[in-house]
Amino acid sequence: EADIYQTPRYLVIGTGKKITLECSQTMGHDKMYWYQQDPGMELHLIHYSYGVNSTEKGDLSSESTVSRIRTEHFPLTLESARPSHTSQYLCASSDYSGGGTDTQYFGPGTRLTVL
Amino acid sequence: GESVGLHLPTLSVQEGDNSIINCAYSNSASDYFIWYKQESGKGPQFIIDIRSNMDKRQGQRVTVLLNKTVKHLSLQIAATQPGDSAVYFCAENIPHSGGGADGLTFGKGTHLIIQP
Repeated sequence: EADIYQTPRYLVIGTGKKITLECSQTMGHDKMYWYQQDPGMELHLIHYSYGVNSTEKGDLSSESTVSRIRTEHFPLTLESARPSHTSQYLCASSDYSGGGTDTQYFGPGTRLTVL
Repeated sequence: GESVGLHLPTLSVQEGDNSIINCAYSNSASDYFIWYKQESGKGPQFIIDIRSNMDKRQGQRVTVLLNKTVKHLSLQIAATQPGDSAVYFCAENIPHSGGGADGLTFGKGTHLIIQP
């Protein structure tokens, strides 16, 4: 069982609001990720981090931003939420050390609905 | 861009039968593959992985087969149980020149339905 947590689990907000989705892991993993997933569909990488003070954009363009001030914490922020941001957001972490293995462990996800 | 895909969006099997979920990948440089299980309302859960220098790997009730010639990956679940009902994703890791991985590329997922 992976020790990675996301809050809130569900969020319904109005258009234009600023929100932050929290993600924390207690495994000491250096790499962390944010994925966006529509129901029943594949995961799309939107942000990742190699470690503290490292943030990179993923394959899917996103209006969200991330920060990595502490190893265990990787929050995602939307400055002005829109209905098009409605989706499930999944956080993951891995103890990548090279060699071609990057097993990622996922949190339970945050289901965001923007009205 | 290149991506990982699955052949069937839905697979229905009888309880107790064996299930085979297939995945086709297009990047011959991929060196590592993972199968994830995602139950409704939860995040993906690691099931089993395999490196590209292997053809087969077995776990508890699950087996992953890798055919690099045709770029095909499969997940076999023995004696399928109601708890196996979920969406199954395959994911590939494409090595980058710098040696770091930017994240896994996921397929579209197959919904495994268990009939009593």
